[in-house]
Amino acid sequence: AQSVAQPEDQVNVAEGNPLTVKCTYSVSGNPYLFWYVQYPNRGLQFLLKYITGDNLVKGSYGFEAEFNKSQTSFHLKKPSALVSDSALYFCAVRDGRGSTLGRLYFGRGTQLTVWP
Amino acid sequence: NAGVTQTPKFQVLKTGQSMTLQCAQDMNHEYMSWYRQDPGMGLRLIHYSVGAGITDQGEVPNGYNVSRSTTEDFPLRLLSAAPSQTSVYFCASSPGLALGGTQYFGPGTRLTVL
Repeated sequence: AQSVAQPEDQVNVAEGNPLTVKCTYSVSGNPYLFWYVQYPNRGLQFLLKYITGDNLVKGSYGFEAEFNKSQTSFHLKKPSALVSDSALYFCAVRDGRGSTLGRLYFGRGTQLTVWP
Repeated sequence: NAGVTQTPKFQVLKTGQSMTLQCAQDMNHEYMSWYRQDPGMGLRLIHYSVGAGITDQGEVPNGYNVSRSTTEDFPLRLLSAAPSQTSVYFCASSPGLALGGTQYFGPGTRLTVL
């Protein structure tokens, strides 16, 4: 079965420090991995995705994520956090199998708080 | 492009009432889906469609119906609202069936069932 785990409900970091939001996944075929961000009372915004190729993926707003196949992880990172990065972050995986093509499975979300 | 639009933004229903949540996209995307978001649960897939005339169930389809008569529209119907359906509902669309296709989300509908 396809699943995504975000082991931390909350991550707190000081502005200017590096941040990491963790994600691990389980899929039957090749994983297609996504990160989305949700600001209060808003819909989800796409940040970045891994399909194939380079394990380090760069996305919007200075975020990047590292795909690690052996650890089945796709952690979101940013070298220097901003207060405006405070939001709810979702990791998601898409199954590469044909029978469930297109279905996206989400983690429970991690609330990131960046304090000044 | 307006992207993915949803109406209404807020809705309050009484138990047993029915209603339709509207979703439309102007990006000519083949794939559309409905999710519900509950605290601590992430987003769960209700129904999805891979093209006009084709729909399928997601993880939590009970109590909801969908249809896809056009590429642009994908309404979600609540047949007989229950308090357990109190949630925030998001519609999303994605270009084609490409596995790397990014899903784009609407702003959401916040539904309360009393």
